[in-house]
Amino acid sequence: KNQVEQSPQSLIILEGKNCTLQCNYTVSPFSNLRWYKQDTGRGPVSLTIMTFSENTKSNGRYTATLDADTKQSSLHITASQLSDSASYICVVRAQTGANNLFFGTGTRLTVIP
Amino acid sequence: DAGVIQSPRHEVTEMGQEVTLRCKPISGHDYLFWYRQTMMRGLELLIYFNNNVPIDDSGMPEDRFSAKMPNASFSTLKIQPSEPRDSAVYFCASSLGAAGGDGYTFGSGTRLTVV
Repeated sequence: KNQVEQSPQSLIILEGKNCTLQCNYTVSPFSNLRWYKQDTGRGPVSLTIMTFSENTKSNGRYTATLDADTKQSSLHITASQLSDSASYICVVRAQTGANNLFFGTGTRLTVIP
Repeated sequence: DAGVIQSPRHEVTEMGQEVTLRCKPISGHDYLFWYRQTMMRGLELLIYFNNNVPIDDSGMPEDRFSAKMPNASFSTLKIQPSEPRDSAVYFCASSLGAAGGDGYTFGSGTRLTVV
């Protein structure tokens, strides 16, 4: 069964600290994995996309990693800011199937001053 | 482009009433998706259209839900009759191509509360 699981469910960190969010998936055959940031009251916005051959990709203070062998991805946030407070959603696309996007339930990150 | 525009932003209705959610996708995007988001289940795909044609509605929970896309710039999601368990945030998203190379562009959502 194709599934995407994220951890932790929620996280509170101090401003300026780093954090890492985890995403484990069982989606097969794998096509790509995307991390979205969803601010409160807004729709999700894409941060990064990882394909099978990519191990690491950065977008500013966000760095995503992918281990296709273990089917794990992480999103590392460096020097967190208050504006990083949001939900982060991991979405995995399968290569086949009419409905081939699988969503994690997200990690709710709160950055406090 | 103003992005994907959804209306209303908030909707509170009584059980049994009809609810219509509206979406204007990004001009030029050929795919439109309707999602429902709840705390328990996260984002769930309800239905998607390609060039105004419904392609996969297997995510539509039951016959009370229906969606239309009469033209490339407008889509509706209707719930009739509404029930309290329909309370959720409903997102519309659009993309150029099914794979959404730059990611889907989501609207700001409609928060539906059925009392």
